[in-house]
Amino acid sequence: GQSLEQPSEVTAVEGAIVQINCTYQTSGFYGLSWYQQHDGGAPTFLSYNALDGLEETGRFSSFLSRSDSYGYLLLQELQMKDSASYFCAANTGGFKTIFGAGTRLFVKA
Amino acid sequence: GAVVSQHPSRVICKSGTSVKIECRSLDFQATTMFWYRQFPKQSLMLMATSNEGSKATYEQGVEKDKFLINHASLTLSTLTVTSAHPEDSSFYICSATYRDYGYTFGSGTRLTVV
Repeated sequence: GQSLEQPSEVTAVEGAIVQINCTYQTSGFYGLSWYQQHDGGAPTFLSYNALDGLEETGRFSSFLSRSDSYGYLLLQELQMKDSASYFCAANTGGFKTIFGAGTRLFVKA
Repeated sequence: GAVVSQHPSRVICKSGTSVKIECRSLDFQATTMFWYRQFPKQSLMLMATSNEGSKATYEQGVEKDKFLINHASLTLSTLTVTSAHPEDSSFYICSATYRDYGYTFGSGTRLTVV
């Protein structure tokens, strides 16, 4: 079956750096995206990697290794407002996207 | 740009009644929209793909007669939960493709069936 694996929870302190990993197993793959979702809210798009390498957007960076079926989201200079769930999602083609179960990030003061 | 508006944000209905949820793309045309369901602390589960002017494509296990989808225009898709029951209580989210790879999500609808 098709699946994405990511840790269920991560805890870090304010100002630190945290990495959320995602491994995927899909029948087709066109790219990996990341979404942030605060409790009670809708997911918001953070980043997308179609090619291997690192994409940087402000405090957030995302990495993809297609050969390893692996990617990660890197959050730097953590802030309390970064406490949320983060989902990786694989584009499997034809607008089809499969979401991981999500990683709940807790940022402590 | 690429804003998707979803309404209502919350709805409480009695068991056996039907509820309609609207999803609108405000500043772009969305030929394809998606409907998801999310239970607390769980991931988004795709229910169906809504195609403008044609029938929706439902994921396996989703009852098409219970979750009616209508995508009558390039900016509006609706999901109607028919004969709702307490087990249908959930967070329903729509989305539309944005550019070639990202999704823009609506704000979600929390449905509570009592």
